[in-house]
Amino acid sequence: GAVVSQHPSRVICKSGTSVKIECRSLDFQATTMFWYRQFPKKSLMLMATSNEGSKATYEQGVEKDKFLINHASLTLSTLTVTSAHPEDSSFYICSAPIGGSSYNSPLHFGNGTRLTVT
Amino acid sequence: QKEVEQDPGPLSVPEGAIVSLNCTYSNSAFQYFMWYRQYSRKGPELLMYTYSSGNKEDGRFTAQVDKSSKYISLFIRDSQPSDSATYLCAMILTDKLIFGTGTRLQVFP
Repeated sequence: GAVVSQHPSRVICKSGTSVKIECRSLDFQATTMFWYRQFPKKSLMLMATSNEGSKATYEQGVEKDKFLINHASLTLSTLTVTSAHPEDSSFYICSAPIGGSSYNSPLHFGNGTRLTVT
Repeated sequence: QKEVEQDPGPLSVPEGAIVSLNCTYSNSAFQYFMWYRQYSRKGPELLMYTYSSGNKEDGRFTAQVDKSSKYISLFIRDSQPSDSATYLCAMILTDKLIFGTGTRLQVFP
């Protein structure tokens, strides 16, 4: 069964509004979670690393003020897309390492959230 | 040159065929090697992962790593229509997971 749960699976919002996506680790604690973005027929691009109890680490070119990440507990990380625009429409996927805390560990992925901004 | 190269396909095979999916990489510092399967509109599902050179088998799947050639493969035996998906290789370099572009596989009855 799924070990990483992501919600919602699909969301449609109007331009200018904000959307929050939740990522939960099931039956294990994750001090680190990762957020990816995937465009159609493209591979996954790492956006940011979510760290429990501290600030997220963003990849080059990712606007931290637009993509707010909060890792408030050992089982929950959230990604908020603020003031969304149509170009933010994409498939967002979270993941957590198998070991829960190790960077050098294979990742389990959630089922993704398809965001459409109209 | 990309860090991880993977033929995007599509690869179309008949049911029951043996499928070979491959990736090459450029950095010998890569550590864990993984294969993920991704169905349309779903997140990637971890199929197999290994650390060392050699073969690792799990049911119909065999993962092969050749560190000297910087080459990894995934073999699928007795392929089924339900195996139709995109297969992504991935490798870990220090704290980052680097993905290949994915190979789209279609198994027809």
